Amino acid sequence: GENVEQHPSTLSVQEGDSAVIKCTYSDSASNYFPWYKQELGKRPQLIIDIRSNVGEKKDQRIAVTLNKTAKHFSLHITETQPEDSAVYFCAARLFNQGGKLIFGQGTELSVKP
Amino acid sequence: GAVVSQHPSWVICKSGTSVKIECRSLDFQATTMFWYRQFPKQSLMLMATSNEGSKATYEQGVEKDKFLINHASLTLSTLTVTSAHPEDSSFYICSASKRGLAYNTDTQYFGPGTRLTVL
Repeated sequence: GENVEQHPSTLSVQEGDSAVIKCTYSDSASNYFPWYKQELGKRPQLIIDIRSNVGEKKDQRIAVTLNKTAKHFSLHITETQPEDSAVYFCAARLFNQGGKLIFGQGTELSVKP
Repeated sequence: GAVVSQHPSWVICKSGTSVKIECRSLDFQATTMFWYRQFPKQSLMLMATSNEGSKATYEQGVEKDKFLINHASLTLSTLTVTSAHPEDSSFYICSASKRGLAYNTDTQYFGPGTRLTVL
C-alpha cells in the first residue's frame, strides 16, 4: 500500500524566513497531494493541494512543488509569521481508492518572533 | 463553502459504556465520509471509509465490531465506540469528501473532532 514519509518532524524558523517541508510517497499511482495545517486541538485545515498533472502551485505565501519522477512533493512557506506556527501534514491519495488519504507523520513548525 | 460538523466536541464516559459520535456535512452532500483517530503529537490514522447505504470499509487492525459505523444519509455518518476502555481515549476526527467539478477531484474537509476520555 501507499506510504508517505514526511520530514522534518520539527522545524523552527525566525519570523520572515522561509520554511520547507518535504514528503515522499511510495505508490506511483497516487495522483492528489493535499497539505493540511492543524493547530493544537483543532481540525486539520486544507491550505493547498496539487494534482499529478501539475508541477507547482502557489497561493500567496504558500507554494507546493511536485516531482512525480522522484515521488516527492514539498510545501514552501515564505515570509513566515508567528500565526504560521502549527503542525503541517502532507497526504497522498491513490487513484480509484475511494478517496482515501494516507498522511505523513506531521511537521511541527514554530515561527519565532 | 464546505463545512463539516461533529458532535459532541468532547465526551467523558465510564469504561464499558458505548459512545456515539456524529459527523455531518452541513452545506454539501458528501460522496464519502472517513473516520480517523489521532493520538497526542501523532498523525491522523484512518480507521474506516464510509459510504451512504453501504457497509463501511475498515482499515487493517481496526475492529469493526468495536467501532460501529452507520452512514444514514449523504450528510450524516455516525461512529459508535462500543464497550469503551481507557485505551480507546483519543481524538476522533471525521472528514467528508466534496465532489469536484472534474472526475476524481474530490476534496476532503475535516470536522472539528471529538475528544473521548474513557475513565
